[in-house]
Amino acid sequence: GENVEQHPSTLSVQEGDSAVIKCTYSDSASNYFPWYKQELGKRPQLIIDIRSNVGEKKDQRIAVTLNKTAKHFSLHITETQPEDSAVYFCAASIEGGGADGLTFGKGTHLIIQP
Amino acid sequence: GAVVSQHPSWVICKSGTSVKIECRSLDFQATTMFWYRQFPKQSLMLMATSNEGSKATYEQGVEKDKFLINHASLTLSTLTVTSAHPEDSSFYICSARDGAGIQPQHFGDGTRLSIL
Repeated sequence: GENVEQHPSTLSVQEGDSAVIKCTYSDSASNYFPWYKQELGKRPQLIIDIRSNVGEKKDQRIAVTLNKTAKHFSLHITETQPEDSAVYFCAASIEGGGADGLTFGKGTHLIIQP
Repeated sequence: GAVVSQHPSWVICKSGTSVKIECRSLDFQATTMFWYRQFPKQSLMLMATSNEGSKATYEQGVEKDKFLINHASLTLSTLTVTSAHPEDSSFYICSARDGAGIQPQHFGDGTRLSIL
């Protein structure tokens, strides 16, 4: 089955600086890669996703890059703000397959220092 | 759009009790729903995939007789934790998608289950 590794487990950055979280996956058949933000005790919220036919996607301060050959993808947050503090999860799945439940990374606790 | 409602949000009960958790898609039809479990400060782990009108598909290591899943309609899936024990205490979250194999998944608010 799929295995998703995520680093770092904790990331502390100064407000206004950029944050980068990296993930690798093992199953070359995976073609859908979402990123979720989860605040304590709440539901995961989708912040951005990318499919394997695209190398990069951007939405305002958030961007995701995908390297299919190396099987890794990264989340980039620019101009970080205090409200960006949360746990971020990457995930992978095979979209359109019969079993497309998400395999999640272990999460990154992002701390924005004022 | 794409709202998923989960009920109850919090359950505290005695060991040996069976607990039912409901997951509803409010504004779309969900042919497939997913059940995840999350222990404190850990990631979400897929437990099973629930397909409307058919048996659920369970992930390796998840006991199907312990975690009963029913997906009787296009808007409702239920997870029943049978004869719950303290080690079953966890945060259970469902998700649903509204397309035929098309992501993304939309998550419910989760159910915090505490077994005394």
